[in-house]
Amino acid sequence: QLQLQESGPGLVKPSETLSLTCTVSGGSISSSSYYWGWIRQPPGKGLEWIGSIYYSGSTYYNPSLKSRVTISVDTSKNQFSLKLSSVTAADTAVYYCARHKAVAGRYIDYWGQGTLVTVSS
Amino acid sequence: SYELTQPPSVSVSPGQTARITCSGDALPKKYAYWYQQKSGQAPVLVIYEDSKRPSGIPERFSGSSSGTMATLTISGAQVEDEADYYCYSTDSSGSVFGGGTKLTVL
Repeated sequence: QLQLQESGPGLVKPSETLSLTCTVSGGSISSSSYYWGWIRQPPGKGLEWIGSIYYSGSTYYNPSLKSRVTISVDTSKNQFSLKLSSVTAADTAVYYCARHKAVAGRYIDYWGQGTLVTVSS
Repeated sequence: SYELTQPPSVSVSPGQTARITCSGDALPKKYAYWYQQKSGQAPVLVIYEDSKRPSGIPERFSGSSSGTMATLTISGAQVEDEADYYCYSTDSSGSVFGGGTKLTVL
C-alpha cells in the first residue's frame, strides 16, 4: 500500500524559506508511471496546485508561484521536496504531497495526510 | 494554466440528485477529474477522465462533460456525501483545481 508522509517545520518566519519533504513508502519514486507533486490549502479555502516533478527531474510549476518554488527529487531516499521562498502570512496552509499518474491528465491518485505550515513571527 | 469555475455551494435533500458543474475553456480538449474532500481529510478521487469511477466509489457518483462544462452528478445523495467537491484538469503547462463546491445534504 503506497504511503506518502510530509515532514518539516510547522512554523516559518515571514521572508524565510519554507522547506518540506515527502517520503514515499510502498512504491518507488523512480517509476516512469508517476509524477510527484505538492498541493496546498489555506485554512477554510480551496486547493491550490503548487507543482510536480518526474523522477528524471523535469518539473511543472504553478505560474503564480513559479518565481518562489523549487521542487526536487532524491531517488536514493525515495523522497521529494518543496522549497518556497520569501514566505508571507498568505502562504499559511495545509501542504499535501501527492502522486500524479503520468498519463495525459496527470491526475492525483494518492495523497499524503497533509501538514499545516504557519507563517508567523 | 487556465481556470476552472465552480458554484460555491449546492444544497439538496437526502435522496435527491445533486449536480455540480465545472466550466473551463480547455475542457473540450482536456479531461475533468473530481475530488471529494470531507472536513479535516485529504481529498479522494471520485471521478476520473470525465466519467470513469475508481473502484470503491459508489455507483451513485457519475460524471459527464460537454463542451466547456463538466458535471459531477450524485444520484440519490446521502448525508455522508456532504463534503467539498473540486474539479481538476491539466494543460501543457501544469494543473489546476476549481474553486470548490460545498455540497450540503439536509
